[in-house]
Amino acid sequence: EAQVTQNPRYLITVTGKKLTVTCSQNMNHEYMSWYRQDPGLGLRQIYYSMNVEVTDKGDVPEGYKVSRKEKRNFPLILESPSPNQTSLYFCASSLSIVGRGGYTFGSGTRLTVV
Amino acid sequence: AQSVAQPEDQVNVAEGNPLTVKCTYSVSGNPYLFWYVQYPNRGLQFLLKYITGDNLVKGSYGFEAEFNKSQTSFHLKKPSALVSDSALYFCAVRDRESGYSTLTFGKGTMLLVSP
Repeated sequence: EAQVTQNPRYLITVTGKKLTVTCSQNMNHEYMSWYRQDPGLGLRQIYYSMNVEVTDKGDVPEGYKVSRKEKRNFPLILESPSPNQTSLYFCASSLSIVGRGGYTFGSGTRLTVV
Repeated sequence: AQSVAQPEDQVNVAEGNPLTVKCTYSVSGNPYLFWYVQYPNRGLQFLLKYITGDNLVKGSYGFEAEFNKSQTSFHLKKPSALVSDSALYFCAVRDRESGYSTLTFGKGTMLLVSP
């Protein structure tokens, strides 16, 4: 089944403890992206990647890192999480950043930083 | 720059009645337009998209949307609402002529369908 898989689904952590949220897609998509969803703010893009070893900042990149060493994987790294990073996170992928395609989304990761 | 506005935080409709969820957009060129739906504790699911051609686009679950270039709108519609349609709906836009661009999403509209 074509899908985007995120792990974990739920995570509670403490301020300052490094964490990684994994994202993997099995559709050979070039483009991958991370969004966070907050009430009243909708979806805001954190980082995106146009291909292996090519990443760029989205609208709200502060406090986050990403890497794209393989085409299928695009982990989101929080080096020193803070409570304002408590949010619902979505990974998405698309065949290409150019053109008419939409995104396929993962099921989401609900992160709570205390 | 590209942007999307969903002017209603919530839309309430009775089951069996028609529903409309509004979306307006702004792009420098011509748009690709999308609607996604999010059910509780789930990711976003693709509903429909406008690329080119017929202004009335039909999608999943009986939904349709009408592209209106002069009003820069892409409202989501359904002739007869179901309770199971209750969910959070997102409109998104990509500028067709920008070379490349990511999808920009609206803030979402909660649709509540009462029995």
